[in-house]
Amino acid sequence: TQLLEQSPQFLSIQEGENLTVYCNSSSVFSSLQWYRQEPGEGPVLLVTVVTGGEVKKLKRLTFQFGDARKDSSLHITAAQPGDTGLYLCAGLRSNDYKLSFGAGTTVTVRA
Amino acid sequence: EAGVVQSPRYKIIEKKQPVAFWCNPISGHNTLYWYLQNLGQGPELLIRYENEEAVDDSQLPKDRFSAERLKGVDSTLKIQPAELGDSAVYLCASSQTPYTEAFFGQGTRLTVV
Repeated sequence: TQLLEQSPQFLSIQEGENLTVYCNSSSVFSSLQWYRQEPGEGPVLLVTVVTGGEVKKLKRLTFQFGDARKDSSLHITAAQPGDTGLYLCAGLRSNDYKLSFGAGTTVTVRA
Repeated sequence: EAGVVQSPRYKIIEKKQPVAFWCNPISGHNTLYWYLQNLGQGPELLIRYENEEAVDDSQLPKDRFSAERLKGVDSTLKIQPAELGDSAVYLCASSQTPYTEAFFGQGTRLTVV
């Protein structure tokens, strides 16, 4: 059973369109991290959100942490082919410091 | 600053053979993780170290997998004997503390034939 559920599993869009990836759980996390992974490489950290309700922006990427610290979303505005990759969310539990990952969302941006 | 370094990048072995992976974390990072990642899936934790102590190895298949981090710096993950189902990418990550961001190496892609 996956502790973190990501949706959708796959997303294919045209360059210039917007997209949102969701990460949901019934568990509360002390922080949540988003990574992007390209084929043959390890995950690269994009952002960490810590406070419930927090919103962080990284150029065209907007990350939000739910008020209850159980869910998060990643929104990309005007997607570009360079945004193509596997997007992973990972939650850190404060009781045992276990960093658990979702199954990932494969994003393909077509030129 | 150098990132997490893993070697080898790729390994092909026959089933029932042993294999070992090596990881050198970012300097000063006390927490070290080994994850297993199947194609198109998220990483799954195998073991977490705080310095030289394995504090979470509940997901490590101990009948064939072993790991060590003797001096609290670099680490080795071993499989003996390997099975076909062990084919995957083995990722190492490190963080300064157990509650700060984890940074990953490029991984070792293992193929068991």
